[in-house]
Amino acid sequence: DAGVIQSPRHEVTEMGQEVTLRCKPISGHNSLFWYRQTMMRGLELLIYFNNNVPIDDSGMPEDRFSAKMPNASFSTLKIQPSEPRDSAVYFCASSLAGSGGNTIYFGEGSWLTVV
Amino acid sequence: SQQGEEDPQALSIQEGENATMNCSYKTSINNLQWYRQNSGRGLVHLILIRSNEREKHSGRLRVTLDTSKKSSSLLITASRAADTASYFCATDGSSNTGKLIFGQGTTLQVKP
Repeated sequence: DAGVIQSPRHEVTEMGQEVTLRCKPISGHNSLFWYRQTMMRGLELLIYFNNNVPIDDSGMPEDRFSAKMPNASFSTLKIQPSEPRDSAVYFCASSLAGSGGNTIYFGEGSWLTVV
Repeated sequence: SQQGEEDPQALSIQEGENATMNCSYKTSINNLQWYRQNSGRGLVHLILIRSNEREKHSGRLRVTLDTSKKSSSLLITASRAADTASYFCATDGSSNTGKLIFGQGTTLQVKP
């Protein structure tokens, strides 16, 4: 199994630019999560989808952030416009909800630096 | 706010020693999980303990759960330099949605 695949792995962008992070979950998983990790705030859940439907987006910082899941094998997290405080590692993760354990499988992360 | 809080924040031990990390949480749970994160990598699931279990073992890992105190501990026995990583507990807050909330983590350094 290829695991959760994220792209890009690293991105450096200028303030004000649009950033799009991409994720391919593990085939067959029905839940997808976007987390953000920083030294100051730790690992924060931004949004999660179940069967491609956003269930809880209460962790999304503000309107500059948006996430979509057009199909079961693809999701995007978009930041527009980006700001330096958005610099963080963004993790996508997937799981098979209802499997009695909800073990989450993480991608390797997208390291974002906004200058 | 984070559901789980780990203690200590950082731990440094010698190879061969045991490492114990603690986690406290706030709400009722269905299960509690521990994850490991190597520097620059994603989190990897280690072990899951259900709310009706008190102790679970997996190799050199031992996890305990005390639901009355809303706390859990992760013990790594006979530590190795390769165990150097950050360790996180995560809880589901008794939901069945698959949503997990992670603690701040314990950074473990095992010196060879």
